[in-house]
Amino acid sequence: KAGVTQTPRYLIKTRGQQVTLSCSPISGHRSVSWYQQTPGQGLQFLFEYFSETQRNKGNFPGRFSGRQFSNSRSEMNVSTLELGDSALYLCASSMDRDAGYEQYFGPGTRLTVT
Amino acid sequence: QKEVEQNSGPLSVPEGAIASLNCTYSDRVSQSFFWYRQYSGKSPELIMSIYSNGDKEDGRFTAQLNKASQYVSLLIRDSQPSDSATYLCAVSRNTGGFKTIFGAGTRLFVKA
Repeated sequence: KAGVTQTPRYLIKTRGQQVTLSCSPISGHRSVSWYQQTPGQGLQFLFEYFSETQRNKGNFPGRFSGRQFSNSRSEMNVSTLELGDSALYLCASSMDRDAGYEQYFGPGTRLTVT
Repeated sequence: QKEVEQNSGPLSVPEGAIASLNCTYSDRVSQSFFWYRQYSGKSPELIMSIYSNGDKEDGRFTAQLNKASQYVSLLIRDSQPSDSATYLCAVSRNTGGFKTIFGAGTRLFVKA
């Protein structure tokens, strides 16, 4: 079974631009979560989607948004980029079983804002 | 107080020794607990999950959970240089959807 895929793998943008990142979950997984990872802050939860609905959101400004499509693929968008948005953005998928919530991560998108 | 706390390390152990990694969490309603391994430049990889009090063993790895003490640990037996990585503790709760909080991670070095 194929793993979580993310595109693009690397991205360089300038301040003020916007960016869209894409994530395809493992087949059969309906829950997709997004995380931002930086050396200083570690892994921080952005939001979680299930069946095209955002179920949870972390403490990030409204410039960060996402969506999920009917095939469970997800995109996240960051508008008006700031230097501090430079980070590794990770997507994780899960089957969302009642007994647990094991998440499997994609390789990430490395975003650099200049 | 951070929601999930880990010693940042680095924790250095000789090859063949037992590495002990610890994690505490603040939210008593947390339901699911995970350990992820992250090699430098790579994404986190799930190595253990535990949902009830006690021990859970998988090969050289043993996860221990004590909900009363809000404490999770990971033991790595017969540590190998390939185990050198950052280990992330993660805690999830169902709030109408799952929200997972990660600790900052403990860096482990296994010396050959």
